[in-house]
Amino acid sequence: LAKTTQPISMDSYEGQEVNITCSHNNIATNDYITWYQQFPSQGPRFIIQGYKTKVTNEVASLFIPADRKSSTLSLPRVSLSDTAVYYCLVQIYNQGGKLIFGQGTELSVKP
Amino acid sequence: EAGVVQSPRYKIIEKKQPVAFWCNPISGHNTLYWYRQNLGQGPELLIRYENEEAVDDSQLPKDRFSAERLKGVDSTLKIQPAELGDSAVYLCASSYSGGIDGNEQFFGPGTRLTVL
Repeated sequence: LAKTTQPISMDSYEGQEVNITCSHNNIATNDYITWYQQFPSQGPRFIIQGYKTKVTNEVASLFIPADRKSSTLSLPRVSLSDTAVYYCLVQIYNQGGKLIFGQGTELSVKP
Repeated sequence: EAGVVQSPRYKIIEKKQPVAFWCNPISGHNTLYWYRQNLGQGPELLIRYENEEAVDDSQLPKDRFSAERLKGVDSTLKIQPAELGDSAVYLCASSYSGGIDGNEQFFGPGTRLTVL
């Protein structure tokens, strides 16, 4: 059964690049990985999604190595407003699209 | 465009009482999800609907939890009777497609349940 593991917390400073890694065992080649951002008292908000190599959008990049044992969310030049909890979500293809969230990484961006 | 609407936002009940949560997904989204999120943890899927059909309810505690999605739009999640351990935030989400090839879920603000 797939399981995801993330660091509990991370600290950064404004303007820095932040990389948050999610470890996930038993991930097949067509299992999707999605990252969400959550602020207090709000529901999670979609950041980026992919299933192989590298995906980039206007706010983040997602790196998935060939062994697929982990994925990394990269946030370029973070600001104070990026302080939030970040979750990885794995969707397991051969289990009917079963959805498994990680425990979340609390990112604190300091001035 | 309106997002996912949930009500109530907060609910305080005594144990053994029933409680119900309501969710209105984004128009045109045929997939609806109910999650439970305990403090400091990631969301845990309770049930996923494709239109009116519950396609994954493996994590729903069926002895006390029930859900329905009549007409494939709005959904209600019920707990009866509530226990102290049910205190959590209940999140509803919707997506255009819940297929196993990835999708973007849109979450509501959640209902914070406190069981005394």
